[in-house]
Amino acid sequence: DTGVSQDPRHKITKRGQNVTFRCDPISEHNRLYWYRQTLGQGPEFLTYFQNEAQLEKSRLLSDRFSAERPKGSFSTLEIQRTEQGDSAMYLCASSLALVADTQYFGPGTRLTVL
Amino acid sequence: GQSLEQPSEVTAVEGAIVQINCTYQTSGFYGLSWYQQHDGGAPTFLSYNALDGLEETGRFSSFLSRSDSYGYLLLQELQMKDSASYFCAVQKGAGTASKLTFGTGTRLQVTL
Repeated sequence: DTGVSQDPRHKITKRGQNVTFRCDPISEHNRLYWYRQTLGQGPEFLTYFQNEAQLEKSRLLSDRFSAERPKGSFSTLEIQRTEQGDSAMYLCASSLALVADTQYFGPGTRLTVL
Repeated sequence: GQSLEQPSEVTAVEGAIVQINCTYQTSGFYGLSWYQQHDGGAPTFLSYNALDGLEETGRFSSFLSRSDSYGYLLLQELQMKDSASYFCAVQKGAGTASKLTFGTGTRLQVTL
């Protein structure tokens, strides 16, 4: 299967700890997106990359959040000093930067902050 | 501001047809996508409309009216496996503005 993969699938951490998630996009896709989804809501955009360039960040992305895509392939999302309000599903999606820009999502990383 | 409105829940019987509506109010509009999400799963792309009219993909069809800021997803010959949440999502532009803005989703329950 050559879909979008994310690691880990689940993460439980204590408040104040740092966590890092990884996303591996579909190999030929040059755009990579991060979204956050809480229960009963649709995904909310956090940030996106075209190749290695981070082109847009949501206002939702506080200075405790940082994302990288160093070689234009996989990406990492780090949350520093986690808070209980960070508990959510973190979804990664990738696309081919065509006009329709259909985004294909990975299985997500479910973060629980105790 | 921007908003996408969908019914929160819809129930239908196996074999029936169901329509899930989406109205949107956004500062820009390029296209409307539909995603399916089973509990605990990832959103899966279903359909995309950039122009007015109907797009058909197997049992699923999607419609868009740009002048009415309205679209719908039509599911035919419902199966139990179609029980899931369905999200409409607006693509506000091409190029660097192609992030998706999602609605709150419609939970579809298919019954026998």
